[in-house]
Amino acid sequence: GENVEQHPSTLSVQEGDSAVIKCTYSDSASNYFPWYKQELGKRPQLIIDIRSNVGEKKDQRIAVTLNKTAKHFSLHITETQPEDSAVYFCAAILSGSARQLTFGSGTQLTVLP
Amino acid sequence: DGGITQSPKYLFRKEGQNVTLSCEQNLNHDAMYWYRQDPGQGLRLIYYSQIVNDFQKGDIAEGYSVSREKKESFPLTVTSAQKNPTAFYLCASIRTGNSYNEQFFGPGTRLTVL
Repeated sequence: GENVEQHPSTLSVQEGDSAVIKCTYSDSASNYFPWYKQELGKRPQLIIDIRSNVGEKKDQRIAVTLNKTAKHFSLHITETQPEDSAVYFCAAILSGSARQLTFGSGTQLTVLP
Repeated sequence: DGGITQSPKYLFRKEGQNVTLSCEQNLNHDAMYWYRQDPGQGLRLIYYSQIVNDFQKGDIAEGYSVSREKKESFPLTVTSAQKNPTAFYLCASIRTGNSYNEQFFGPGTRLTVL
């Protein structure tokens, strides 16, 4: 069936380095791709999203890139800080899914001081 | 944090009992969703509702039931038929329209079966 795959499942970086998380999706008709950050025991919160009519979107230290041909999108965090440590989820609205989000399995990002 | 609330925050259930998790939103959102999250895993869709008095099964609906009698409320009942209900349950809502909008999440209910 249609799904979203996310890699890596865990990622450790030194403070100040960059972090990259990648997701692939199976449905070429998908056109909305949000990224959520979830701190331990808290609710997921939207940090950035991208629509299929653009290839890249940036918001301060966070950027998302989308390659529709290859059906993958990535989250880039630059100049990482300890407060960036959390679980990050990618998602996509898959065709025929009544506009509901299908989530990746999550990436536990740890920023080491 | 978006005007969507869940209660209780923690819930303990004995085996064989049904329990109901509350989800309320004052955002005037049309669509509401229930997800289940297990440790170290992503979010799996249980049920969703796009309008009042209508709801659809998600990927893991077995052992769960919902109702949508009011736009603001979407309670989830975990029945005794759900064999492994211990998990973190998240409710979400979204304003439907011509473009895609942010899905807001509630703070979650952590359910533990004793």
